[in-house]
Amino acid sequence: EAQVTQNPRYLITVTGKKLTVTCSQNMNHEYMSWYRQDPGLGLRQIYYSMNVEVTDKGDVPEGYKVSRKEKRNFPLILESPSPNQTSLYFCASRYRGMNTEAFFGQGTRLTVV
Amino acid sequence: RKEVEQDPGPFNVPEGATVAFNCTYSNSASQSFFWYRQDCRKEPKLLMSVYSSGNEDGRFTAQLNRASQYISLLIRDSKLSDSATYLCVVPPPGKLIFGQGTELSVKP
Repeated sequence: EAQVTQNPRYLITVTGKKLTVTCSQNMNHEYMSWYRQDPGLGLRQIYYSMNVEVTDKGDVPEGYKVSRKEKRNFPLILESPSPNQTSLYFCASRYRGMNTEAFFGQGTRLTVV
Repeated sequence: RKEVEQDPGPFNVPEGATVAFNCTYSNSASQSFFWYRQDCRKEPKLLMSVYSSGNEDGRFTAQLNRASQYISLLIRDSKLSDSATYLCVVPPPGKLIFGQGTELSVKP
């Protein structure tokens, strides 16, 4: 089954404790992206990757890191989480062409206390 | 001007009503557009693609106006199950830009 898998689905952590949210897709998509969703602000792009070893900042990259060592995986790293990073996070992937559908993971609800 | 703008709503409509949402975009180079549906903080899912002037799928019609740089989504004969947030997506190369989403609530 074609899918994007995020883990964990739910996470409560403390300020400053490094964490990684994993994202994996099995559709051989070139493009992968991370978003955060907050009430009233919609989906905002954090980072995206056009292919292996190619990553670019989105609109809200501060406080986040990503890597794309393999085509299927695109982990999101919070080196020192802060409460303002409490949010709902989505990973998405698609083929690189413009007219292609994006597939989303089920989301990760992160709370930083 | 934001790259993609939507009226956030909420739109509260009775069952059977026809409702329309608009989405404006700023990048005139964009070639394709999408409407996604998101239920209650779950992952967004593709509803319709819009490549040329318009696209119709059952009760749903999406239209594109390149001159005025907006796309619209029309829902006819609204059902309770149509209650969701509808997201407009404009993909310039390398990015997927989402509108804030328009919340629709269909009441009995």
